[in-house]
Amino acid sequence: DTEVTQTPKHLVMGMTNKKSLKCEQHMGHRAMYWYKQKAKKPPELMFVYSYEKLSINESVPSRFSPECPNSSLLNLHLHALQPEDSALYLCASSQRGGQDEQFFGPGTRLTVL
Amino acid sequence: QKEVEQNSGPLSVPEGAIASLNCTYSDRGSQSFFWYRQYSGKSPELIMSIYSNGDKEDGRFTAQLNKASQYVSLLIRDSQPSDSATYLCAVNPYYGQNFVFGPGTRLSVLP
Repeated sequence: DTEVTQTPKHLVMGMTNKKSLKCEQHMGHRAMYWYKQKAKKPPELMFVYSYEKLSINESVPSRFSPECPNSSLLNLHLHALQPEDSALYLCASSQRGGQDEQFFGPGTRLTVL
Repeated sequence: QKEVEQNSGPLSVPEGAIASLNCTYSDRGSQSFFWYRQYSGKSPELIMSIYSNGDKEDGRFTAQLNKASQYVSLLIRDSQPSDSATYLCAVNPYYGQNFVFGPGTRLSVLP
């Protein structure tokens, strides 16, 4: 299995809602990432988990809260988002992090009303 | 500041031609380099990774790396309309750091 899966594919939420994005990989990778991508821009790194520990938080607002329950799963909890948070949210994984290739999931298209 | 630059697009080539995509990076300590293809509305897909100076070929794709010139390129031979996409160059500055993406070059292959 060489796939990273993400659910849901699409999400529409109001500014007062709480929702979660989920990511799963079964490649035995030990590094997992959350990226945010706006239209016509490259992916922008949000968080990195390495061996299930948060290793990088790129100054992301606290309304985004990551969680890594185990080595295969990564969640992104969303609360009190703003319309400007509407974007494609991408999960990626790599074998150990660092120099290793990153493989992306299909993404969750998030719209905040 | 670590930067990755790519030639501005859109780049248009006729079907069957060679498409040449270029990327320069500012951090001389960069160790690994990646090319991703991204179709509109989809996620990035890894095409090539390259770690050493020289050429690396995979099917119709060739990545070229020149660390002295801080330059990495992607050649697509026999371009097909299905190659029309945005191509993202990603650079890992040094061990333990994470990818820096270039802005992307949009390629259009005309039938």
